[in-house]
Amino acid sequence: QVQLQQSGPGLVKPSQTLSLTCAISGDSVSSNGAAWNWIRQSPSRGLEWLGRTYYRSKWYNDYAVSVKSRIIINPDTSKNQFALQLNSVTPEDTAVYYCAKGGRGPMVSVFDFWGQGTPVTVSS
Amino acid sequence: EIVLTQSPGTLSLSPGERVTLSCRASQSVTSNYLAWYQQKPGQAPRLLIYGASSRATGIPDRFSGSGFGTDFTLTISRLEPEDFAVYFCQQHGPAPPWTFGQGTKVEIK
Repeated sequence: QVQLQQSGPGLVKPSQTLSLTCAISGDSVSSNGAAWNWIRQSPSRGLEWLGRTYYRSKWYNDYAVSVKSRIIINPDTSKNQFALQLNSVTPEDTAVYYCAKGGRGPMVSVFDFWGQGTPVTVSS
Repeated sequence: EIVLTQSPGTLSLSPGERVTLSCRASQSVTSNYLAWYQQKPGQAPRLLIYGASSRATGIPDRFSGSGFGTDFTLTISRLEPEDFAVYFCQQHGPAPPWTFGQGTKVEIK
């Protein structure tokens, strides 16, 4: 059974960087088939897919257009985890952030396991 | 980007009733790659259905999905007390971005 454990601060100042980590157990971040995603949820924007990292003989990333200029998702193979970095945050980035595993093959964008969620507030 | 519109926004029902939730896409969903999730307060979404009609592991058979093209449905044959929650659809086509509907809340009448 895959488990995802999120960590990171719940309060970030405007213009600073939001950083969250998702530790994986029961699978590998380097798994040649799965994908590792970040998704956020807010009352104004609903559920919003932000991006993913995945390994297919080398590392790849995909990012949502809405955050593409500000986001980095990096794997950490030594700790079997992946991280979200969102730069230059504004109050509009206030949301609950989730990490989620994408399934395999044609189901790679079906989110079958989720982290517990981290509420993040952007405020001075 | 595919926009998903769910209806109704809220349903007020009693345990034992049959529920039908709707999800309409702004364009045809590739290979009917449409998923449904359930979310309870303070929890992450839980995958129920993928590929429009395939139940995820451990999901009771009172949950079923159907539809094709732009119109999809989640049916709960008999509402159990633990089924009162918010339900989201998501298109999981071959390329990003993957989008979600705004949700339908099923509440106790």
